[in-house]
Amino acid sequence: AQTIHQWPVAEIKAVGSPLSLGCTIKGKSSPNLYWYWQATGGTLQQLFYSITVGQVESVVQLNLSASRPKDDQFILSTEKLLLSHSGFYLCAWSLPGGAQDTQYFGPGTRLLVL
Amino acid sequence: QQQVRQSPQSLTVWEGETAILNCSYENSAFDYFPWYQQFPGEGPALLISILSVSDKKEDGRFTIFFNKREKKLSLHIADSQPGDSATYFCAARKNNYAQGLTFGLGTRVSVFP
Repeated sequence: AQTIHQWPVAEIKAVGSPLSLGCTIKGKSSPNLYWYWQATGGTLQQLFYSITVGQVESVVQLNLSASRPKDDQFILSTEKLLLSHSGFYLCAWSLPGGAQDTQYFGPGTRLLVL
Repeated sequence: QQQVRQSPQSLTVWEGETAILNCSYENSAFDYFPWYQQFPGEGPALLISILSVSDKKEDGRFTIFFNKREKKLSLHIADSQPGDSATYFCAARKNNYAQGLTFGLGTRVSVFP
């Protein structure tokens, strides 16, 4: 069975501090990986996607960056947090090449920037 | 500009009634439409999905009706239960499988016993 883990579960950080969020997928080889951001009570906004190790595409610029150092790992980071970075960060995966491209979401990381 | 629109913003139904959630889109390149259910504090979970070549998809109490010509679809939740109380997101994907989903703003459904 595939499992998707996100860490940490929640973070409270100061404006201007660095951030690193992680996502690990187990039980599936070479999945497509995605990062989404969700404001409290809002919709999901796609941030990045990756189809292979070392390759990441940006969808929207929010002063964030992403990396895929391993086949099963996706990292979201920034060197300097803004208040607007607060929200719910969701990692998702899908099978590559599938017509229905079902995306499965992780439990999310809640971030509060003060 | 919101590429995927949902209505109503919120919906209240009684237990046993059918809840109807609406979704429309602008981009003709969208070809796959999943609906996600999200409870507070959790990640969204796939509920049901449809490809643009179909006009109806059923899964238990959940049915999607799709009108490609009008670029509209709807999710019907039959025999609504209090446990169905959640936010429902309509999403769309272009025929580039690697890219992600475009989400609507969601419909918050409350089912009262």
